[in-house]
Amino acid sequence: QVQLQESGPGLVKPSETLSLTCTVSGGSISSYYWSWIRQPPGKGLEWIGYIYYSGSANYNPSLKSRVTISVDTSKKQISLKLSSVTAADTAMYYCARDIGGGYYFDDWGQGTLVTVSS
Amino acid sequence: QSVLTQPPSVSGAPGQRVTISCTGGSSKIGAGHDVHWYQQFPGTAPKLLIYANSNRPSGVPDRFSGSKSGTSASLAITGLQAEDEAHYYCQSYDSSLSVVFGGGTKLTVL
Repeated sequence: QVQLQESGPGLVKPSETLSLTCTVSGGSISSYYWSWIRQPPGKGLEWIGYIYYSGSANYNPSLKSRVTISVDTSKKQISLKLSSVTAADTAMYYCARDIGGGYYFDDWGQGTLVTVSS
Repeated sequence: QSVLTQPPSVSGAPGQRVTISCTGGSSKIGAGHDVHWYQQFPGTAPKLLIYANSNRPSGVPDRFSGSKSGTSASLAITGLQAEDEAHYYCQSYDSSLSVVFGGGTKLTVL
């Protein structure tokens, strides 16, 4: 079981870019997919996208125009950038180990809350 | 509105059996995509409960079981315990190349 730790600013202004990092420890980043998933306060889960350790990515069509996910295997980190944020992007953001590229998620980070507000 | 449909809430008394349904269309569960289930307690991250329709990860009690048929899937919990009170989410895949979740079901143990 790997440990995942999300980090980044907890407050982002509207129209700016949300940037988060997920650090993997206790296991390899290679040979796995890694996903970002978010959960608005009091609501359900929404998949944002995944990246393979090699760098190939796939995004939720509803967010695709604003999302970039990247990976740094040397640092064992996965990054998320979401541009042009609005209040609707306020959520708990989780990174998760993704078995099979959008198949299922077997390990999750504790999440980080991002609020979009001026 | 979530892509997979779950009842907002279910309840049961200790020791009873409850089921939570998850319904998706022909491009999702009906297209043969597997269904997975997660358990989430307040203030914590979701935890994988069932994968590939009916498989339990190591450490998940056998009181939890999953099944899938046609365009629907179900999570069953037998011998209900107070510690099972949580939110439960189903998850699958859409043929438009996207992961999809259900809206979640709050289980209350009476």
